[in-house]
Amino acid sequence: QSALTQPRSVSGSPGHSVTISCTGTSSDVGAYFYVSWYQRHPGKAPKLLIYNVSERPSGVPPRFSGSKSGNTASLTISGLQPEDEAEYYCCSFAGSYTVVFGGGTKLTVL
Amino acid sequence: EVQLLDSGGGLVQPGGSLRLSCAASGFSFISYSMSWVRHVPGKGLQWVSVISASGLHAHYADSVKGRFTISRDNSKNTVYLQMDSLRSEDTAVYYCAKRPVVEPGAPYYFDYWGQGTLVTVSS
Repeated sequence: QSALTQPRSVSGSPGHSVTISCTGTSSDVGAYFYVSWYQRHPGKAPKLLIYNVSERPSGVPPRFSGSKSGNTASLTISGLQPEDEAEYYCCSFAGSYTVVFGGGTKLTVL
Repeated sequence: EVQLLDSGGGLVQPGGSLRLSCAASGFSFISYSMSWVRHVPGKGLQWVSVISASGLHAHYADSVKGRFTISRDNSKNTVYLQMDSLRSEDTAVYYCAKRPVVEPGAPYYFDYWGQGTLVTVSS
């Protein structure tokens, strides 16, 4: 399966919002409501932010939100904070027990 | 607190083998399926394999099928990844990840991850 397409990098100022896109196909993102998002700080374990397109695990603040339209999913981070500077990865079910990830987006908080 | 401790990485020559381990604590290990996911430099994350809570069912990415074997020892709260016939393209940081369900099926996400172990395949 091909990787999902994410922008290499995005940036935003503290307090502002950014949206990270994740484009797949009609065989993965477009076909299922099993899109998840992960945050990865260098040298640390990835952290689940969003699952099932828009659900937030307990402990993840509501300023992280997810959505999907057609073959593209999106992660929006509102009220940017310095600690949000990290890499973000999307993930989608792709059939037959397999999942496919995006290439990752580096968020810089200016 | 859920903890996943990955270990076993290292430098190995092409064609060689390595076994990764992931020691779990802080949850009922026998109740959840587990996966391995790798981070390839410059290419992002790649799903590698999944195993059911019982250990009876396993699935693999096409890129590792026939070369890698996932297993688990529920008495030791540990999941393994046996990697054989290693190639340079297997060079990555390997993470074990917990899934929120018993079987490899839906829903498809990973609620906890280990810190990763680096595997370098090079001569």
